[in-house]
Amino acid sequence: AQSVTQPDARVTVSEGASLQLRCKYSYSATPYLFWYVQYPRQGLQLLLKYYSGDPVVQGVNGFEAEFSKSNSSFHLRKASVHWSDSAVYFCAVSITMNNNAGAKLTFGGGTRLTVRP
Amino acid sequence: EAAVTQSPRSKVAVTGGKVTLSCHQTNNHDYMYWYRQDTGHGLRLIHYSYVADSTEKGDIPDGYKASRPSQENFSLILELASLSQTAVYFCASSRDWASAETLYFGSGTRLTVL
Repeated sequence: AQSVTQPDARVTVSEGASLQLRCKYSYSATPYLFWYVQYPRQGLQLLLKYYSGDPVVQGVNGFEAEFSKSNSSFHLRKASVHWSDSAVYFCAVSITMNNNAGAKLTFGGGTRLTVRP
Repeated sequence: EAAVTQSPRSKVAVTGGKVTLSCHQTNNHDYMYWYRQDTGHGLRLIHYSYVADSTEKGDIPDGYKASRPSQENFSLILELASLSQTAVYFCASSRDWASAETLYFGSGTRLTVL
C-alpha cells in the first residue's frame, strides 16, 4: 500500500539556521511528490512539487526539495530559516484515482517546525 | 487567486446530532474533496466529487455523506455525529484530474462532538 512517512513529528531550530525535513514514501513507481505548509489557523498551501527531471526542485520562500529514487525520499530544505517559517509541513504523494476522478493525495503525518527567534 | 471558503469555522455538536459542513469554491474547478485531519496526523480523504450531483467515497467514508449540488458547492454531512468524528475538516478543489495538479484548501472547520 502507498504510504508517506515523515519521521520527525517536531523540529526546533534557531532563526538563521539551515533546515532539513525528511520524507520517505513507499510506492511502486515514481509518484508525483508535494510539500504543503500549514500556517496557524489556515489551510494547506503548496510549497513545491516534483514530477520529473532535475531532482532538486525550487519552491516558494527559499524552500527546495530533493528527490532521490534510490532512497525513495523527498526531503525539504532551506538554507536559512526565519521565525515566520514556523508551521506544520506535510509531504504528500499523488496518484490518479479510478474513473478519471481526480488526484488523490496521500499525506504524511506532518512535521511541526518551530523557529526560535 | 484560487478561493475555497468553508463554513462554519468551528462547531460544537452533540453526539447523535446531525452536522453539515459547507464548502464553496470560486475557482471554477471541477474536482472537490473533503479531508479530515486529526491531531498529529496527516489528512485523510473522506469523499470527493468530480461533477455536480455525483460524489465518490474516499479512504474513510464511514459515518459521512457528501453532497455536490453545483460545481461551486460541496457539503459534508454527519447524520449521527459521534465522539470519534471530532477533528478538523478541510475542503479542497483542483482544476483537473491529473496527478500533478495542485489542490487548493479552505481554512478548515474545527468540529467538536460532545
